[in-house]
Amino acid sequence: QLQLQESGPGLVKPSETLSLTCTVSGGSISSSNYYWGWIRQPPGKGLEWIGSIYYSGSTYLNSSLKSRVTISVDTSKNQFSLRLSSVTAADTAMYYCARDHGFGEQFDYWGQGTLVTVSS
Amino acid sequence: QSALTQPASVSGSPGQSITISCTGTTSDVGGYNYVSWYQQHPGKAPKLIIYDVSKRPSGVSDRFSGSKSDNTASLTISGLQAADEADYYCCSYAGSSTLLFGGGTELTVL
Repeated sequence: QLQLQESGPGLVKPSETLSLTCTVSGGSISSSNYYWGWIRQPPGKGLEWIGSIYYSGSTYLNSSLKSRVTISVDTSKNQFSLRLSSVTAADTAMYYCARDHGFGEQFDYWGQGTLVTVSS
Repeated sequence: QSALTQPASVSGSPGQSITISCTGTTSDVGGYNYVSWYQQHPGKAPKLIIYDVSKRPSGVSDRFSGSKSDNTASLTISGLQAADEADYYCCSYAGSSTLLFGGGTELTVL
């Protein structure tokens, strides 16, 4: 059974960089036709797609966050990562990693999510 | 790009059917058959219940169905049960390798 697990600091200071890693187990991150995505959800609000990556390293980003987002993949560790720079309180959210079976078709496996709070 | 438009809330009684709409444009919902729906219970991660407009993943009840007409996708839940009370989100491919989620709909089972 495929499992995804987010990890990283739960508290980040304003203007600093948020860094999260998603570890995939029970399957290979290098499988063809699977993309790996980050989605966030501010408290009490809806879901927002941040971006996705293919195992080759090709990235696809939400244009509204593109200037601050970096997504990378480490196939040797079966992990992919998110970096969001210059964070503000508006970036406080639950951050989920998920597998996208065919870009945009279906996020079929999700991590449990990790809450990141931006505060001094 | 703006989020897809969903009603903030819908409600129904046990056994009834309800429909949640997801309205976009010709650049997203209307332009591609890549609409998916997610169910999210409080404190839990979203769960995929419909993909490619109307397909159900293995293990998802056939009480859940999806459809699309022009720029609006719809999720119908028949035989409403208490366990269906949750938030529901649509998601669509929006061209140029981007994805859009809807604002979410809170379903209350009366």
